[in-house]
Amino acid sequence: QVQLVQSGAEVRKPGSSVKVSCKASGGIFSSYGISWVRQAPGQGLEWMGGIISIFGTTNHAQRFQGRVTINTDESTSTVYMELSSLRSEDTAVYYCARALQTVITPKGAYYYNRLDVWGQGTTVTVSS
Amino acid sequence: QSALTQPASVSGSPGQSITISCSGTSSDVGGYKYVSWYQQHPGKAPKLMIYEVSNRPSGVSNRFSGSKSGNTASLTISGLQAEDEADYYCSSYTSSTTLEVFGTGTKVTVL
Repeated sequence: QVQLVQSGAEVRKPGSSVKVSCKASGGIFSSYGISWVRQAPGQGLEWMGGIISIFGTTNHAQRFQGRVTINTDESTSTVYMELSSLRSEDTAVYYCARALQTVITPKGAYYYNRLDVWGQGTTVTVSS
Repeated sequence: QSALTQPASVSGSPGQSITISCSGTSSDVGGYKYVSWYQQHPGKAPKLMIYEVSNRPSGVSNRFSGSKSGNTASLTISGLQAEDEADYYCSSYTSSTTLEVFGTGTKVTVL
């Protein structure tokens, strides 16, 4: 049974960066996509981006262009999401989730379908 | 890309059926089969309840069902139970640069 375990809570100052990890256990790590989804306090869910390790392919939502970096360490079955130039609006719980299926879109990007296993979430607080 | 539109709250008594709507456009809900529904209890991670409009993952109760008509998807919970009280989010693939868009969320209350 695949489990995703995320790193602990972080506090950062505006303008700095944060790196959140997501370690997979109990399954074949590289065969699936991993998505990152965040949730601001009292708000809804927002897809940020994802990675398909076996292809070395990453995609992200346009609004995070230039600020989000997603990579993987296959030796430890860990995916990392780094968000830079932090602002107060980035205060949120960040989740990683396994995509049981990835679908290539007409524009060549990948859509991460069937987010069936989720990490426990990592709270990131941005405050001066 | 705006969030998909869901009612803020829906309530029902135990044993009743409720339906949550999720309205989008032809660029997302109406144009593709990739509509999912997630259940989220307070302080917990979301749980996949429905994928590709109407498919249930293994282990999800058959009291949950999904459908779509035009640009609106729906989640129906039949035989409402106390444990169904949670927030529910729809999501869809979108042809915009966002790639995936979530709904505004619906709080389900069991009276």
